[in-house]
Amino acid sequence: SQQGEEDPQALSIQEGENATMNCSYKTSINNLQWYRQNSGRGLVHLILIRSNEREKHSGRLRVTLDTSKKSSSLLITASRAADTASYFCATDVGQFYFGTGTSLTVIP
Amino acid sequence: DTAVSQTPKYLVTQMGNDKSIKCEQNLGHDTMYWYKQDSKKFLKIMFSYNNKELIINETVPNRFSPKSPDKAHLNLHINSLELGDSAVYFCASSQDLGMGVNSPLHFGNGTRLTVT
Repeated sequence: SQQGEEDPQALSIQEGENATMNCSYKTSINNLQWYRQNSGRGLVHLILIRSNEREKHSGRLRVTLDTSKKSSSLLITASRAADTASYFCATDVGQFYFGTGTSLTVIP
Repeated sequence: DTAVSQTPKYLVTQMGNDKSIKCEQNLGHDTMYWYKQDSKKFLKIMFSYNNKELIINETVPNRFSPKSPDKAHLNLHINSLELGDSAVYFCASSQDLGMGVNSPLHFGNGTRLTVT
């Protein structure tokens, strides 16, 4: 299977703390994207990192990519209750493959 | 305005019935997809269409038949529904086939299908 696999499956933190989620994949990729899914909603695109990039920032989000380890991480800094959601990585090998996500709970 | 809209939001039906889910996107995208999300939140691609042509059919039973009347619509028809078909089905669209710098997926809010 080529899908990304997120780790941990669930994460609970206090508001203001940082949250780190990891994604591992199995084959060479073109790009990797992170998405957020709020309860009962569709996925929303957060950030894309290309295979030749190592780090990317967008607001409170920081994504890293290590192609030698076939892994990526998503860091959310200064978390807020509104960040409570599931986070998915999607690997691009010509089409999109998703994992089962990390369920993040931010406690106010 | 909703970019990707799908109807109905909830669908409860009995085994053996036939049902359809509709999807429309107003983003002008060339490619549309159907994904199935199971109870463990695993999201699996089912189909993708590019300019009304089927591009991907990922080992989906032939009881599932996508239909794309035009570039903005991709409907999903399911025959002889089974208990295992219970899931949330998401429609999505992107500008290009596959991922690219300007081609993130845009998802609808899902259709929760329950087969009893």
